[in-house]
Amino acid sequence: EVQVVESGGGLIQPGGSLRLSCAAPGFIVGSNYMSWVRQAPGKGLEWVSVIYSGGSTYYADSVKGRFTISRDNSKNTLYLQMKSLSAEDTAVYYCARDIIGCSGGKCPYYYYGMDVWGQGTTVTVSS
Amino acid sequence: AIQMTQSPSSLSASVGDRVTITCRASQGIRNDLGWYQQKPGKAPKLLIYAASSLQSGVPSRFSGSGSGTDFTLTIRSLQPDDFATYYCLQDYSFPYTFGQGTKLEIK
Repeated sequence: EVQVVESGGGLIQPGGSLRLSCAAPGFIVGSNYMSWVRQAPGKGLEWVSVIYSGGSTYYADSVKGRFTISRDNSKNTLYLQMKSLSAEDTAVYYCARDIIGCSGGKCPYYYYGMDVWGQGTTVTVSS
Repeated sequence: AIQMTQSPSSLSASVGDRVTITCRASQGIRNDLGWYQQKPGKAPKLLIYAASSLQSGVPSRFSGSGSGTDFTLTIRSLQPDDFATYYCLQDYSFPYTFGQGTKLEIK
């Protein structure tokens, strides 16, 4: 079964750091585009970051310079390293697989959305 | 960043109704837009990609349309399972941005 499973959330003090993990038992993380999306309590969805299969990374303005997306192909796991955390980072963090298509050697050329999502891991930043 | 504005923010409807949710981008995004459904305590679910393409396994009562700045999600003949919150997401340029969501409630 194609799935992703997040872990690593918890209670962290303001200014602290935390690393989230996303395991993908049913597919190869390194061959896919992978995203993190978060949702603050009672709020809407916020796109956080993506890593391309080729290694390119992109971030939301709200986390740029503080969060780092990465992966370990040997562990088939995606990560989100978060530092300088504040209360505004309190949220459920979801890992998702992005589906893309290539054309004429250009990747990505088509984007088909995030089709596999985990159950989320909760990060609470509070003293 | 591109701003995505959804309307309405909430909507009451009955089983069997036809409902339309709109999403407006602050600049043209071609057809680079997806729609997601989220139920309380659950992860989002992809419904529509590329503005009008139905994700595999999604019932055909869901449809999307639009291009440029204005997009719509239509649910034909609402079913009890459809009461949820719906989000649009632009994937035209980074940072990707979601609309603020539309909560669809039972009347």
